Amino acid sequence: TQLLEQSPQFLSIQEGENLTVYCNSSSVFSSLQWYRQEPGEGPVLLVTVVTGGEVKKLKRLTFQFGDARKDSSLHITAAQPGDTGLYLCAGARVYNFNKFYFGSGTKLNVKP
Amino acid sequence: DTGVSQNPRHKITKRGQNVTFRCDPISEHNRLYWYRQTLGQGPEFLTYFQNEAQLEKSRLLSDRFSAERPKGSFSTLEIQRTEQGDSAMYLCASSLKGQGNTEAFFGQGTRLTVV
Repeated sequence: TQLLEQSPQFLSIQEGENLTVYCNSSSVFSSLQWYRQEPGEGPVLLVTVVTGGEVKKLKRLTFQFGDARKDSSLHITAAQPGDTGLYLCAGARVYNFNKFYFGSGTKLNVKP
Repeated sequence: DTGVSQNPRHKITKRGQNVTFRCDPISEHNRLYWYRQTLGQGPEFLTYFQNEAQLEKSRLLSDRFSAERPKGSFSTLEIQRTEQGDSAMYLCASSLKGQGNTEAFFGQGTRLTVV
């Protein structure tokens, strides 16, 4: 069982649609990161959220950290083919923020 | 380029051979991490260093795996007597010691294929 569960695992949508990806846990995290990864490449950091209830926006991407700091969501508005990739959430736990736990990812395909 | 650098990008080796990967972190970062990622999964933690000290190792890191960071700068990950199950992407990341909201930045990874 993974510490961070991501859903959905796969998502295939048309260009222009909106989508939300979820990252859930029963554990509390001191911070949570979202990464995007393309095939054969390392993950690229998109955002870090640290405060419960925090909302951050990055152009068409909106990230939210749950009030209890156990979950997070990523919402993409008007998806574009360039958004295609593997979206990973990763968290650092409250008592051991030296190690990042990753979810298994959401593979997004945006069709033109 | 001031990001995390990993070499080589790809490595194909025969089962039973030893391999060594190198990671050069972002220069001012004192923490360095190794992760392993298999197809369809998120990265799994292997080990991390703060400066030259290896402070934590995962149980995934069997005795065939060894990591070093001799001068607190670059790091190497060696796998001895490779097995087909070692085939994966090996990722290195670095961060700056902080208080709970540390951000890790990843290199492009080394793709290992054991044949």
